This record gives sequence, C-alpha cells and structure tokens, in this order.
Amino acid sequence: DSGVTQTPKHLITATGQRVTLRCSPRSGDLSVYWYQQSLDQGLQFLIQYYNGEERAKGNILERFSAQQFPDLHSELNLSSLELGDSALYFCASSRDNRAIRSGYTFGSGTRLTVV
Amino acid sequence: GQQVMQIPQYQHVQEGEDFTTYCNSSTTLSNIQWYKQRPGGHPVFLIQLVKSGEVKKQKRLTFQFGEAKKNSSLHITATQTTDVGTYFCAGPSTGNQFYFGTGTSLTVIP
Repeated sequence: DSGVTQTPKHLITATGQRVTLRCSPRSGDLSVYWYQQSLDQGLQFLIQYYNGEERAKGNILERFSAQQFPDLHSELNLSSLELGDSALYFCASSRDNRAIRSGYTFGSGTRLTVV
Repeated sequence: GQQVMQIPQYQHVQEGEDFTTYCNSSTTLSNIQWYKQRPGGHPVFLIQLVKSGEVKKQKRLTFQFGEAKKNSSLHITATQTTDVGTYFCAGPSTGNQFYFGTGTSLTVIP
C-alpha cells in the first residue's frame, strides 16, 4: 500500500458518458498529479494541483477537468467519453510542489474501459 | 513540452545476464528520476540523480547521470526474475512536473 488511494479500481462505461475518478493523496502530501497510461502513449502527464490550486496542465483534453478539495483529495472528471479514452489513470502525490527528494508516490490506478 | 526518449523499448534477457536502459533528453535536465512498474502494478520511485556525472548504486542496480545532464542510464547486473517490469526515466519540465520516458519493458527468461 503506497498510501495513495484511488477509486474505483475498474470502471466500464459507454461512449458519451461522464465519469469521476477519485484520489486521496498520501498523508502530508500537498501535491496531486494525474497521469494517463495507455499502451501506445506511455505515461502522459495530465494536470497537477498543489494545496488546492491548479499548478500545471499537460496533455489534458478539454473534455477532462479536475479539482483538488480542501481536504486535499482530488477528482478527475472525464466527459463525452470516447473509445480512445480507455486507459489506466494514475494519481500520484508528493510532499511539495517539486517532488525533488523522494519522487512521486503513485496510487494503484483506475482502469477505465469505454465501450 | 519536455521530450525524454528511452531505448530500447523492449529487452528480453536470460536470467543472470546484464541489462541496460538508456534515457536521452533534448534539453539539459536539472535532475532525473527512475521508476519501476511491475506488470499490473503502478510506478514506484527508485532514485533521483542531480549532479553532472553522478553515479548511484542500489544493490545490483547502477544509475548514471551524464556529464552534460542530457542522458542517463540504468544498469542491472546479473538479472533475476524479480527484476521483470517496465523501467521509466522521468525528467522535470520548466514547471517541475515530471515527464516520463517511453519506458523499457524487461523480460527475464528463467
């Protein structure tokens, strides 16, 4: 157990639908990062939050959005889902904004299947 | 955005053979991190390199950071079946988020 909790572990949904993925960071970590992992794209950085504020955006589609709540948990919202959105979605956390000393701590991921 | 390339993409070795994966960046990196992802698992942080020419060892794993801080390597001596997985390097962007390399998938044949 890494200390980063992601729910649900698996999600199957139809095209056009909307889903919400949830992440609770490791205790004491203020930064949350979302990554998408698909077979042909590797680990793609989506978005980062630090202490409730958005800090950076990567290759995140406009159909996707995220937020970090006062208790530091984060949610990733995926809407108008397409078949190509099927992937593993990882949440990671770090103590500070830079993850310099100890890197990221990843959760076990949510496997999203769009049918 | 940050481009971090890794080679090879796949590597199959006999148990006991050595293994090396290489990471190359188009720009100078302030630091580089390495992660391991077991099949069906999540990436796990292994190490961070910061200094030019730095070499760090973890048992049978040796990590190097190039003199120009544009490349790095991970070398595993005498591989074991427990070494199976995908090894990723990750370099920071200007905003300090880490962009991951494409990964090297290691298969160890008993």
